[in-house]
Amino acid sequence: SQQGEEDPQALSIQEGENATMNCSYKTSINNLQWYRQNSGRGLVHLILIRSNEREKHSGRLRVTLDTSKKSSSLLITASRAADTASYFCATSRNSGYALNFGKGTSLLVTP
Amino acid sequence: ETGVTQTPRHLVMGMTNKKSLKCEQHLGHNAMYWYKQSAKKPLELMFVYSLEERVENNSVPSRFSPECPNSSHLFLHLHTLQPEDSALYLCASSQGPHYGYTFGSGTRLTVV
Repeated sequence: SQQGEEDPQALSIQEGENATMNCSYKTSINNLQWYRQNSGRGLVHLILIRSNEREKHSGRLRVTLDTSKKSSSLLITASRAADTASYFCATSRNSGYALNFGKGTSLLVTP
Repeated sequence: ETGVTQTPRHLVMGMTNKKSLKCEQHLGHNAMYWYKQSAKKPLELMFVYSLEERVENNSVPSRFSPECPNSSHLFLHLHTLQPEDSALYLCASSQGPHYGYTFGSGTRLTVV
């Protein structure tokens, strides 16, 4: 299967701490994306990293990609209560339109 | 408002009903998607349209019927659904196959 698998399934931290989520996948990809979802609403695109990139930053987000290990990580620095959400990684193959999602990591940030 | 609008937000329907979900985007995107999200399962891709042509169809039961009349609108027609079809149905759009998606807020469907 192409879909990513996030780890851990759930993460609980305090405000100000960093949160790290990992994603593993099985076959070659064109790009890997991270999304956030707040309690049953639509997903929000956070960042896209292409297969020839190793690291990307966006504000408090840092994403790394290791294609040799078929894994990615999402780091949220100085977390806030508003970061509480589910985070999904999704992989895009070189052919076709499908974006395949994992089951997500549920992040809880407490004040 | 994300740029992708889904209606209705909530829908309760009986197993013999016929209803439709609507999705609209004015982002100038060429591709539109239907996904199903059930509890504790990964998002499941249902249908993909590119420039109004269906390009992917992931073994979805025929009781779900998509329609894409133009590049801005996407419908999902529902008939004789089962209780296990209860889920959050998400519409998304993108510029193409290797770009990020913009999702709508979803339709929470309950089949009774």
